[in-house]
Amino acid sequence: KAGVTQTPRYLIKTRGQQVTLSCSPISGHRSVSWYQQTPGQGLQFLFEYFSETQRNKGNFPGRFSGRQFSNSRSEMNVSTLELGDSALYLCASRAGGFTGELFFGEGSRLTVL
Amino acid sequence: GESVGLHLPTLSVQEGDNSIINCAYSNSASDYFIWYKQESGKGPQFIIDIRSNMDKRQGQRVTVLLNKTVKHLSLQIAATQPGDSAVYFCAENSPGNQFYFGTGTSLTVIP
Repeated sequence: KAGVTQTPRYLIKTRGQQVTLSCSPISGHRSVSWYQQTPGQGLQFLFEYFSETQRNKGNFPGRFSGRQFSNSRSEMNVSTLELGDSALYLCASRAGGFTGELFFGEGSRLTVL
Repeated sequence: GESVGLHLPTLSVQEGDNSIINCAYSNSASDYFIWYKQESGKGPQFIIDIRSNMDKRQGQRVTVLLNKTVKHLSLQIAATQPGDSAVYFCAENSPGNQFYFGTGTSLTVIP
């Protein structure tokens, strides 16, 4: 079955703009998590959605937001982009509950100029 | 907050040798751990997992060891191959919470 799909794979924005990233989880998976990965850093947790509800949130400013649709697809939005937002944004899905393996997509690489 | 750290940021091994990658975690309530491999330009890929009721788990060429007393996790790769060159992350999970990831160890296999 298809894996986690993220779009777009690459994008370039300028400071002050906003961006929306999309994630389609593995079919049947109800949990979607978002992570930010920057050079030299590990994966920093942004938020997790389960059945359209945010159930965990990391320590990111309010400029970072997300949502999940009834078909489990998820989007994250970053408003008023800053240079430091340049990163690989990874989406991961899992079947549900609070256990089980996370399956990652290939990520969306955002460059802010 | 919780932290998951790795003892060594980089590791170089000769092809055919065994590799050991270490990870320390801080949350004693964590009961599920995963090792991921990330190749350049790709998303993290699951390698092996282990639950806290186990001390050791083996997969194909990989073994994960869990020492709950000192909150330490290790990944052993047998007969390391050039295709094993990547960044390896450990991740911990406690009930009701998200996964926390370490900063990663970069493994380079020397032919």
